[in-house]
Amino acid sequence: GQQLNQSPQSMFIQEGEDVSMNCTSSSIFNTWLWYKQDPGEGPVLLIALYKAGELTSNGRLTAQFGITRKDSFLNISASIPSDVGIYFCAGLPGGTSYGKLTFGQGTILTVHP
Amino acid sequence: DGGITQSPKYLFRKEGQNVTLSCEQNLNHDAMYWYRQDPGQGLRLIYYSQIVNDFQKGDIAEGYSVSREKKESFPLTVTSAQKNPTAFYLCASSRDRGETQYFGPGTRLLVL
Repeated sequence: GQQLNQSPQSMFIQEGEDVSMNCTSSSIFNTWLWYKQDPGEGPVLLIALYKAGELTSNGRLTAQFGITRKDSFLNISASIPSDVGIYFCAGLPGGTSYGKLTFGQGTILTVHP
Repeated sequence: DGGITQSPKYLFRKEGQNVTLSCEQNLNHDAMYWYRQDPGQGLRLIYYSQIVNDFQKGDIAEGYSVSREKKESFPLTVTSAQKNPTAFYLCASSRDRGETQYFGPGTRLLVL
């Protein structure tokens, strides 16, 4: 099945640094979603993007829906230790795959105090 | 509080045994989903249901079965035909099929 290319696969940063990660696809999506997953827990929705070009913030998190509808990025500013976890992008397509969420492989974030 | 609950948190299966994972939501969502997550991999869709008494196979349905008799509930049975069942299983729901999905806390299945 289709996959999203999410990068980087992992990041090791110092507390206070900014973080950027992105997802790209060969197909168009109608919605881009960003989730965070802590070990042993289910993914928690961080930001949902519904329109090409849309830029949305949630506290220290900012995400954008690419103009081509084939990519999205997530920025985290001034990272703190509780930002540690796995971040997943996900895309919702239209057409015959309507409603079928496609996930990236995840970005593992480690924050050193 | 509205949300999705999954039980149990951990489940052990013996060889040749069927086990059932529970998923309940009180969000009044029509669509529900089951995903499997293996270490270092993204989530893969097992089954989904758009409405009561209807469900469709996802990408990796072999060895699994589901039912949707109530809007709130979407149990997943891992049958003995599933030869590699050890994984983290996640249930999700959305208002309808094309909308944002929200996840439960997950059930970790281990084989004895």
